[in-house]
Amino acid sequence: GAVVSQHPSRVICKSGTSVKIECRSLDFQATTMFWYRQFPKKSLMLMATSNEGSKATYEQGVEKDKFLINHASLTLSTLTVTSAHPEDSSFYICSASRRMGGELFFGEGSRLTVL
Amino acid sequence: RKEVEQDPGPFNVPEGATVAFNCTYSNSASQSFFWYRQDCRKEPKLLMSVYSSGNEDGRFTAQLNRASQYISLLIRDSKLSDSATYLCVVNIPDTGFQKLVFGTGTRLLVSP
Repeated sequence: GAVVSQHPSRVICKSGTSVKIECRSLDFQATTMFWYRQFPKKSLMLMATSNEGSKATYEQGVEKDKFLINHASLTLSTLTVTSAHPEDSSFYICSASRRMGGELFFGEGSRLTVL
Repeated sequence: RKEVEQDPGPFNVPEGATVAFNCTYSNSASQSFFWYRQDCRKEPKLLMSVYSSGNEDGRFTAQLNRASQYISLLIRDSKLSDSATYLCVVNIPDTGFQKLVFGTGTRLLVSP
């Protein structure tokens, strides 16, 4: 089956630094990838939709200047948390599907802890 | 009204029990429905898609009721390994692409 790989799986950083998370589709081309954030015991909240070759579409309330998304190729999307603060500590998960409205394949998730 | 609503639970059931979860959605134009399973601190994994005619996969049965805008998941003969959070996922038709929205999840605890 399709595989989506996410890296790093865990990252701890100091407040004020920036962190980049990569999401790769390993065996299919993903023109669209999705980035979610999940707080403990909460559901996944869609942050933004990453479109290959164009700007990401952000959900209401998500700061685009803080969460920079780049989708440079059909198999790679990156999320950069800029000037991270402790409240940004969360589980960030990416996903991709082969077609619109189809099954979502998830990366393993990245657990960010900002000290 | 939330786009996708689920009872968060937890549902505590003994092994062998039958348990059912419901999920309601607000957008009548939604066309794709899924149940995902998420184990603690792991990524969600697709359990099954939900088809209009209803579908079954082993001990799991999914149903769709378009008139009332809800989907259900029935688990028969519960196993300890079924303990997880079950996420209802619905597509929300939007401009340019169809995004998938997750419910808050229903937690299931199966005990010996």
